[in-house]
Amino acid sequence: GAVVSQHPSWVICKSGTSVKIECRSLDFQATTMFWYRQFPKQSLMLMATSNEGSKATYEQGVEKDKFLINHASLTLSTLTVTSAHPEDSSFYICSANHDGRPSYEQYFGPGTRLTVT
Amino acid sequence: GQQVMQIPQYQHVQEGEDFTTYCNSSTTLSNIQWYKQRPGGHPVFLIQLVKSGEVKKQKRLTFQFGEAKKNSSLHITATQTTDVGTYFCAVKFKAAGNKLTFGGGTRVLVKP
Repeated sequence: GAVVSQHPSWVICKSGTSVKIECRSLDFQATTMFWYRQFPKQSLMLMATSNEGSKATYEQGVEKDKFLINHASLTLSTLTVTSAHPEDSSFYICSANHDGRPSYEQYFGPGTRLTVT
Repeated sequence: GQQVMQIPQYQHVQEGEDFTTYCNSSTTLSNIQWYKQRPGGHPVFLIQLVKSGEVKKQKRLTFQFGEAKKNSSLHITATQTTDVGTYFCAVKFKAAGNKLTFGGGTRVLVKP
């Protein structure tokens, strides 16, 4: 299999606080992981590409100081939304490339629904 | 940036009927992927198409890659309530490395 988990599955936080979301590949190693954001009834928008042991590559328009990504091991990447505001409320989904399989296939986590009040 | 257009945005289908969703790009693609996302769920990989004119089938789902490798289609026959969800195509543009660009998705609702 190729299972990706995310924690938490949902979180409610107050405006101005920070929230950390974890993405784990449970049964495989993933040098590369991706973070997406999905607003209701919209498509997935890539935020950044996370590579183990190096700095993440952010997409145009995504603030790297606001969305901190850490990929410290081959099975874990974290996304921290700093000083969250209501407009950051969204569904955050991570995906991972399986190191032992073709890179064209991405395995998605179940997502984390963030609500900022 | 480069985009991939998907139509229709919504598809209301009577149970038992067929429907098709289309994905179009202005540039030639090296490959295209299709994902399904159930309501409240996450995208699940369905298939990848690589060759010009390629046709692949998964039970009631037929995927096709255009001859020019600029478009693709997903055709579902005898729609069932389990087909409810959003179907996304996703592509990797040459200059974008390993990144996937998703189409807008086709949201499918099935009327029993």
